[in-house]
Amino acid sequence: ETGVTQSPTHLIKTRGQQVTLRCSSQSGHNTVSWYQQALGQGPQFIFQYYREEENGRGNFPPRFSGLQFPNYSSELNVNALELDDSALYLCASSRESQNEKLFFGSGTQLSVL
Amino acid sequence: RKEVEQDPGPFNVPEGATVAFNCTYSNSASQSFFWYRQDCRKEPKLLMSVYSSGNEDGRFTAQLNRASQYISLLIRDSKLSDSATYLCAVITTGNQFYFGTGTSLTVIP
Repeated sequence: ETGVTQSPTHLIKTRGQQVTLRCSSQSGHNTVSWYQQALGQGPQFIFQYYREEENGRGNFPPRFSGLQFPNYSSELNVNALELDDSALYLCASSRESQNEKLFFGSGTQLSVL
Repeated sequence: RKEVEQDPGPFNVPEGATVAFNCTYSNSASQSFFWYRQDCRKEPKLLMSVYSSGNEDGRFTAQLNRASQYISLLIRDSKLSDSATYLCAVITTGNQFYFGTGTSLTVIP
């Protein structure tokens, strides 16, 4: 086990709704990244948070937003859900100086109907 | 053009076989390279980092060819437990991870 926990594990929403996904990073890790993995695809980088600030963003629209808290846990918020947002959302934590060593949580499976 | 490209497979091989996967990357400034293993809709797990000199971990060998911008993974003496999807990953400038689409491997008894 990596020590990275995500909640909920599964979620069903309807188009237009909003969703919040949560992630607790591994102890001692201050960097959290979020990824979207559609079926049959590799994980796509959404954004990264370091010390409560966004520290890099992939090619996702502004309706994807996030937060990092003082304890380094993080939230991913998605507004105005679209059908194509259905995917596995993965959170990964890492140490500041070892950004290459990502430890993934088990993910949240989001279905948008 | 995608940052990282992989042959999605599937690769179906018998137990004991040797199988190789390749992955190409487009950004010549890419800094770090990895292979991850992902089991059926579970989270990716780091299999090994890839170094310019090549590296080996038991039955697994990874190599990097910077001139041709590809990385490879060789699995010798395949086991049933090796069945999974293998993702290559690259860190480019800006510390962003890019993953390939993954290559599916099934080892057949």
